[in-house]
Amino acid sequence: AAGVIQSPRHLIKEKRETATLKCYPIPRHDTVYWYQQGPGQDPQFLISFYEKMQSDKGSIPDRFSAQQFSDYHSELNMSSLELGDSALYFCASRAGWETQYFGPGTRLLVL
Amino acid sequence: DAKTTQPNSMESNEEEPVHLPCNHSTISGTDYIHWYRQLPSQGPEYVIHGLTSNVNNRMASLAIAEDRKSSTLILHRATLRDAAVYYCILRDKPPSTPLVFGKGTRLSVIA
Repeated sequence: AAGVIQSPRHLIKEKRETATLKCYPIPRHDTVYWYQQGPGQDPQFLISFYEKMQSDKGSIPDRFSAQQFSDYHSELNMSSLELGDSALYFCASRAGWETQYFGPGTRLLVL
Repeated sequence: DAKTTQPNSMESNEEEPVHLPCNHSTISGTDYIHWYRQLPSQGPEYVIHGLTSNVNNRMASLAIAEDRKSSTLILHRATLRDAAVYYCILRDKPPSTPLVFGKGTRLSVIA
């Protein structure tokens, strides 16, 4: 069965650079979630979209923005990267009353 | 969402049953009990959920106390692939809302 696809899987950036993470939900899933998991931490919710509109907002820094496109894929844009942004970034998708399905994550390292 | 309490870590021998406890003494009548797990270097994965009655699926069983103040995730025969962090999450909101991960239980399985 198709799963959530995230790209890239690994990313290395310098401080103050920008990064764009992409998420391709499971086909026919209309809701996308972004989570951040720092080293040794539990996943923390950042932001979510339903039918291309922002639906919930968590602890997402102002330096980050995200959107969901007409094909339901989503992108997380991160600017002015800081060392503390180094983390695993997970995308999850959902349809209807189903549970959330998580992607494999993007590991971001900021040097 | 109501708070849950889980042991930091547990250990099990391979092919033996594992009982992972979760205390949720402040649970409300409309809270569903969800379990997710996160295998090493992977995104979280849905395991099971329930409201009042015990639940079974191909992955695990969920035993819910009569007063609903605690629950137990049961893995009937632990395998090395079950080594993961297990999260017990209470949700009183529609499935569209994001997950709030607390401190889970790190399960180690010994061959």
